[in-house]
Amino acid sequence: AQTVTQSQPEMSVQEAETVTLSCTYDTSENNYYLFWYKQPPSRQMILVIRQEAYKQQNATENRFSVNFQKAAKSFSLKISDSQLGDTAMYFCAFMKHNTGTASKLTFGTGTRLQVTL
Amino acid sequence: KAGVTQTPRYLIKTRGQQVTLSCSPISGHRSVSWYQQTPGQGLQFLFEYFSETQRNKGNFPGRFSGRQFSNSRSEMNVSTLELGDSALYLCASSLVTGEAFFGQGTRLTVV
Repeated sequence: AQTVTQSQPEMSVQEAETVTLSCTYDTSENNYYLFWYKQPPSRQMILVIRQEAYKQQNATENRFSVNFQKAAKSFSLKISDSQLGDTAMYFCAFMKHNTGTASKLTFGTGTRLQVTL
Repeated sequence: KAGVTQTPRYLIKTRGQQVTLSCSPISGHRSVSWYQQTPGQGLQFLFEYFSETQRNKGNFPGRFSGRQFSNSRSEMNVSTLELGDSALYLCASSLVTGEAFFGQGTRLTVV
């Protein structure tokens, strides 16, 4: 079974600053995906960024980037130039790769990020 | 392109009743998964359907069931509701690439 751990229940960052959210996971799988999802107060779960385990290059999406350390089973999210709209709950998630089909997500407990003026 | 649509958005039920929640996936997505989100337990996987077949089931009692139709729309049913079933129920649809897109959820309150 897979486990995902987010050790930071809450974090705060000033607007325009950079913040890093931590995530570690445990799995015996070799092929998998890792995700960061954002859940604002509206409760809609929004995909922020995705990383395939076989790719060594860290994924980047505009102001969001990850530091994927496969050997250490670490997957942190860096948010640059933080904006008020980034205020949300952030979940790290693991998905085992199944050939031809999708699979279930295992989520961490989340990190509540507050962006302040 | 329309996103994942969940209905209803809010629901209030009495203990002992049953409830059916609906999820329409993104067009072309054949995999639908359901998750329960509560403050105490976080996000927990309920079940996953692909081409009308349940492929994966989480650790929930048999009161929780689901199904998927030929058009990939999915329903989940909870019978004999308990207070602890109060939660946000999220549906996600996926392509084979393993990227899950979520609906806005159904907020179920059991009184």
